[in-house]
Amino acid sequence: GAVVSQHPSRVICKSGTSVKIECRSLDFQATTMFWYRQFPKQSLMLMATSNEGSKATYEQGVEKDKFLINHASLTLSTLTVTSAHPEDSSFYICSARVRRGDGYTFGSGTRLTVV
Amino acid sequence: KQEVTQIPAALSVPEGENLVLNCSFTDSAIYNLQWFRQDPGKGLTSLLLIQSSQREQTSGRLNASLDKSSGRSTLYIAASQPGDSATYLCAVRLYAGGTSYGKLTFGQGTILTVHP
Repeated sequence: GAVVSQHPSRVICKSGTSVKIECRSLDFQATTMFWYRQFPKQSLMLMATSNEGSKATYEQGVEKDKFLINHASLTLSTLTVTSAHPEDSSFYICSARVRRGDGYTFGSGTRLTVV
Repeated sequence: KQEVTQIPAALSVPEGENLVLNCSFTDSAIYNLQWFRQDPGKGLTSLLLIQSSQREQTSGRLNASLDKSSGRSTLYIAASQPGDSATYLCAVRLYAGGTSYGKLTFGQGTILTVHP
């Protein structure tokens, strides 16, 4: 089946630094990738939708200058958390689908801890 | 705005029991509904996908039903096992274009514990 590979799985960074998270579709081309965040014991909240070759669409309340999304190829989308602060500590996860009408495949998630 | 609710929030059962997890949604104009499993600290594993034209889907010991008109879906797990312990999430995808295209709205999840 379709696989979305997400790296790193876990990262600890100092406050004020930037962190990049990568999501790759391994055996299909993902023209659209969705980025979610999940706080402890809460459900997933969509942050943004990244489209290959164009600007990402951000959900209301999500700072686009803080969460930079790049979808430069059909198999790679990246999320960069810039100037990270402790409140950005969360579980970030991406998803994509192979074709219209399919269900979504999720990456394994990235646990970000900002100290 | 689509809202998805899952009941119960947590469920603890002995091994071998059959159980039902519930999911309700407020906007019946859905494209499809997907059930996922999430283990602690891990990503989501897709369990079943039901298209809006379908009434149910089955995979092994899992059966999911969809009643779009009433805004409800159930996930039935037969003969539960300790390895079924996880958080179960349902997510709906709206049948809409524009800015809603492709988005999933998730429920809060049901935390299932199956004890030996």
